[in-house]
Amino acid sequence: DQQVKQNSPSLSVQEGRISILNCDYTNSMFDYFLWYKKYPAEGPTFLISISSIKDKNEDGRFTVFLNKSAKHLSLHIVPSQPGDSAVYFCAASSNSGYALNFGKGTSLLVTP
Amino acid sequence: GAGVSQTPSNKVTEKGKYVELRCDPISGHTALYWYRQSLGQGPEFLIYFQGTGAADDSGLPNDRFFAVRPEGSVSTLKIQRTERGDSAVYLCASSLWRLVRTSWGGETQYFGPGTRLLVL
Repeated sequence: DQQVKQNSPSLSVQEGRISILNCDYTNSMFDYFLWYKKYPAEGPTFLISISSIKDKNEDGRFTVFLNKSAKHLSLHIVPSQPGDSAVYFCAASSNSGYALNFGKGTSLLVTP
Repeated sequence: GAGVSQTPSNKVTEKGKYVELRCDPISGHTALYWYRQSLGQGPEFLIYFQGTGAADDSGLPNDRFFAVRPEGSVSTLKIQRTERGDSAVYLCASSLWRLVRTSWGGETQYFGPGTRLLVL
């Protein structure tokens, strides 16, 4: 039972434009959300996180938005760069546990 | 400082054999996690250690899988009687640990590069 869903397996964006990656979750107990970036043959690298008490968190070119009523979060990358090309995983955890629940990932390709 | 390291980076074994996968967490991180990532999927939780003890092993698929962390640092994931379906990337992560979760943040988990296991 997939509790974290990334419905777009892939996304292609031109360099300099905005990339928007989406994530939906079903478990209302989730209170902490993270985005990881993964290059081939490497482990996931932490990118940005957000707590359920916030609706936005920004770090440089990366912004994560959380809509609790819709159980939806999104990652915005502005401006997109070719080096951002990777697989992006959305993950969530709840206060009752420490395990991260991951989506299947979205493969982002930023073209020059 | 050094990140999470995992050895071996690749492991090829035959069906029915026993394998051990090692994880060296970030120094000072008391929490350690094992995940498994199959092709086309996100990482799936296997087991979580707080110090030396397994605080949550609910993700282990069956009793062929076992993990230890005897001194609260390095951990070993052990798989007995391997099956072809065990082929995957096994990821280890570590984090700091708070006695009580705060409402404004959780524990960020930092991942190692993974061990790619192929069971023939």
